[in-house]
Amino acid sequence: GAGVSQTPSNKVTEKGKYVELRCDPISGHTALYWYRQSLGQGPEFLIYFQGTGAADDSGLPNDRFFAVRPEGSVSTLKIQRTERGDSAVYLCASSFGWAGELFFGEGSRLTVL
Amino acid sequence: EDKVVQSPLSLVVHEGDTVTLNCSYEVTNFRSLLWYKQEKKAPTFLFMLTSSGIEKKSGRLSSILDKKELSSILNITATQTGDSAIYLCAVGPYSGGGADGLTFGKGTHLIIQP
Repeated sequence: GAGVSQTPSNKVTEKGKYVELRCDPISGHTALYWYRQSLGQGPEFLIYFQGTGAADDSGLPNDRFFAVRPEGSVSTLKIQRTERGDSAVYLCASSFGWAGELFFGEGSRLTVL
Repeated sequence: EDKVVQSPLSLVVHEGDTVTLNCSYEVTNFRSLLWYKQEKKAPTFLFMLTSSGIEKKSGRLSSILDKKELSSILNITATQTGDSAIYLCAVGPYSGGGADGLTFGKGTHLIIQP
């Protein structure tokens, strides 16, 4: 596609539920990043993929968070047993290798009640 | 731990004014500093500054990297209401083994009043 596409744009769930957030990067971009942005804060790095493998997952806050990119394109961020503190906008970005310039999607706003 | 501090956190000026936004950083093995503009949701890329490119300019926007002071400024001249946004500064380390995630500051919320 023309840009990074994220779905859903909004997700409201109840505490304890499981959620999946999807990211479709720009075609041909090998690098894919997940960030989380809370109100009044800058984006916080979660995980980075180069191809199919997670090259750096040091930003994942705990083992409830997991992300996959099985075919080196679309990625899914999975959150188990959601907590109210997980509420945030989850941003996905892609780039062609490490070019420095990340292209961001519009984000998925997650609200945990 | 890498750290990026932006100032001011918010700024209100009148259309036509010139503004200077600040960014200071602490990062292991610095590779680059990037500026992004975030209006509603998706941050959009403005500039990337590296050791080999410490000054960039595009229209009314310009940015300078001071590697000695570990800081950068973003200047916007003749501001317009469309410049109202959150301006994010981010730094990227050089890991030697590939790209790692950018570390972002909290951003400067700029409001341009007509």
